[in-house]
Amino acid sequence: GAVVSQHPSWVICKSGTSVKIECRSLDFQATTMFWYRQFPKQSLMLMATSNEGSKATYEQGVEKDKFLINHASLTLSTLTVTSAHPEDSSFYICSARDQPNTEAFFGQGTRLTVV
Amino acid sequence: AQSVAQPEDQVNVAEGNPLTVKCTYSVSGNPYLFWYVQYPNRGLQFLLKYITGDNLVKGSYGFEAEFNKSQTSFHLKKPSALVSDSALYFCAVREPGRRALTFGSGTRLQVQP
Repeated sequence: GAVVSQHPSWVICKSGTSVKIECRSLDFQATTMFWYRQFPKQSLMLMATSNEGSKATYEQGVEKDKFLINHASLTLSTLTVTSAHPEDSSFYICSARDQPNTEAFFGQGTRLTVV
Repeated sequence: AQSVAQPEDQVNVAEGNPLTVKCTYSVSGNPYLFWYVQYPNRGLQFLLKYITGDNLVKGSYGFEAEFNKSQTSFHLKKPSALVSDSALYFCAVREPGRRALTFGSGTRLQVQP
């Protein structure tokens, strides 16, 4: 299947700083990318959907000013957690799809720890 | 609104025995259904999908799932479990016209040697 690469795999940052997570589709053009957040032993919660060249659509309850999403090209989307706090510590996973009726492929996830 | 239920938090099965991981869904219209597997600290790996066609779908690693419209179910099955199948399994659904998947709560499969 198609490959989605997420970087970094893990990051530790100080409270108040910002962290950027990259999601790349390596062998296909991703017209749509999704960002999920997963708490320990819980399911994936959709944060936002982004299309290349347009603003992301955020799910209810997700602060768009805190979780900045940029889908600058058909192969790259970034999630920036601004002014991170310990409660932002979580596992963040991106996924990408090239066509509407195909399955989404997932990155390996990023474990963010804010201290 | 689309939703998915995985009624079992954990399924235990002995190696070599058949396994079933249950999933039921609720959508408007015909569903697109998916199964993914997650290993510790990793992203999700696609196993199989149902879009249309035969109700029995075969996927990766010997897994299969049966779409049952009347029971709104899409249970994951494998005839003979392996210890290496032990992982977290997620069922997901998408309604036609919607872009994002909705995931179930996940079922941890534990295969004992």
